[in-house]
Amino acid sequence: DAGITQSPRHKVTETGTPVTLRCHQTENHRYMYWYRQDPGHGLRLIHYSYGVKDTDKGEVSDGYSVSRSKTEDFLLTLESATSSQTSVYFCAISEQGTGSGEKLFFGSGTQLSVL
Amino acid sequence: DQQVKQNSPSLSVQEGRISILNCDYTNSMFDYFLWYKKYPAEGPTFLISISSIKDKNEDGRFTVFLNKSAKHLSLHIVPSQPGDSAVYFCAASASEGNTPLVFGKGTRLSVIA
Repeated sequence: DAGITQSPRHKVTETGTPVTLRCHQTENHRYMYWYRQDPGHGLRLIHYSYGVKDTDKGEVSDGYSVSRSKTEDFLLTLESATSSQTSVYFCAISEQGTGSGEKLFFGSGTQLSVL
Repeated sequence: DQQVKQNSPSLSVQEGRISILNCDYTNSMFDYFLWYKKYPAEGPTFLISISSIKDKNEDGRFTVFLNKSAKHLSLHIVPSQPGDSAVYFCAASASEGNTPLVFGKGTRLSVIA
């Protein structure tokens, strides 16, 4: 299994509070991604990173920011959590990006509930 | 607009029979297609892939077929086993621009013993 650790695994928070989710990898892969999974929507890309300090937006980036100060860590921040951000969040990694058909390796997910 | 569509939210199959999961895409730039399997409370795991230069790829009980002209792919599982019960996601990417994977909404497969 790819060395990907997501923390926390579960979190309950209140509307309006800031939340940071962490993804840590031990594979030294260049690319890291944040997806969210919701019933009826599948997996949707929030943000991704193609190197330290290099990030780009995905399909559902509004309300989220990311940071990558080291190869191994990719942080997802909800500046002011809303109930619509209740979801399961998955971090994924790939060595050279998925455009060449390379597969993603996923973490175990973080269940976030915003009350 | 959905670029990758899985129009069947669920599928129920008897053990030992064939499971066929379908996926359609709209972006003609997609040239790699992957299937992921997801169990509850776990992350998705890679199952099988195919590039647009092929029309079939086989790995044990799993075969993926690609029909580029119809922008359609399918995953065949033969024979189906109870342990195959999971959500299956179809995903696609384009080599131009090294785009991230785009996923469909998933199909929940139930294999009944």
